[in-house]
Amino acid sequence: GENVEQHPSTLSVQEGDSAVIKCTYSDSASNYFPWYKQELGKRPQLIIDIRSNVGEKKDQRIAVTLNKTAKHFSLHITETQPEDSAVYFCAAGTYKYIFGTGTRLKVLA
Amino acid sequence: DGGITQSPKYLFRKEGQNVTLSCEQNLNHDAMYWYRQDPGQGLRLIYYSQIVNDFQKGDIAEGYSVSREKKESFPLTVTSAQKNPTAFYLCASRTDINYGYTFGSGTRLTVV
Repeated sequence: GENVEQHPSTLSVQEGDSAVIKCTYSDSASNYFPWYKQELGKRPQLIIDIRSNVGEKKDQRIAVTLNKTAKHFSLHITETQPEDSAVYFCAAGTYKYIFGTGTRLKVLA
Repeated sequence: DGGITQSPKYLFRKEGQNVTLSCEQNLNHDAMYWYRQDPGQGLRLIYYSQIVNDFQKGDIAEGYSVSREKKESFPLTVTSAQKNPTAFYLCASRTDINYGYTFGSGTRLTVV
């Protein structure tokens, strides 16, 4: 069946360093790849997305890259801050999304 | 103020009971979704609906039922056939396939 794998499951970085989270997907028909940030007990919030006709997208300190041939996409956060600490989820799909299992990011002050 | 509203925020269910979780949106979105989130895990799709009066099973539909009689509403019933219903339930909606979901604030269901 359709599957999205996400790594790592936990990630600790020093404030100011970069963080990278990687996902792979199985359904070659997927054409939309969003990333969500979820704080404890809260709803997931969309932070950035990318469509299949684009290889890279950047929004201030956040960027996403997509390699459709390898079925691989990544989230890059630069100059991390303590408020970036949260769980991050990748997803892939078309009319419905399959989510990865999440990455708990801790930014150490 | 446009958005997607889930109620109640907390729900307790006794063994053998059916309970219904409410999801209402005023965003004029066609598609609506129900996901289940267990501690430390990702979101798993229960049911989704792309249009009124039509819905499809997701990956873990057993023990759940839904209806989509109105565009704005997509209630989820957790039946007694769902043996492990304790989880955080998230409802989402989307305008079309080129956009991400808008999530509700969730309902935390606990079996007592």
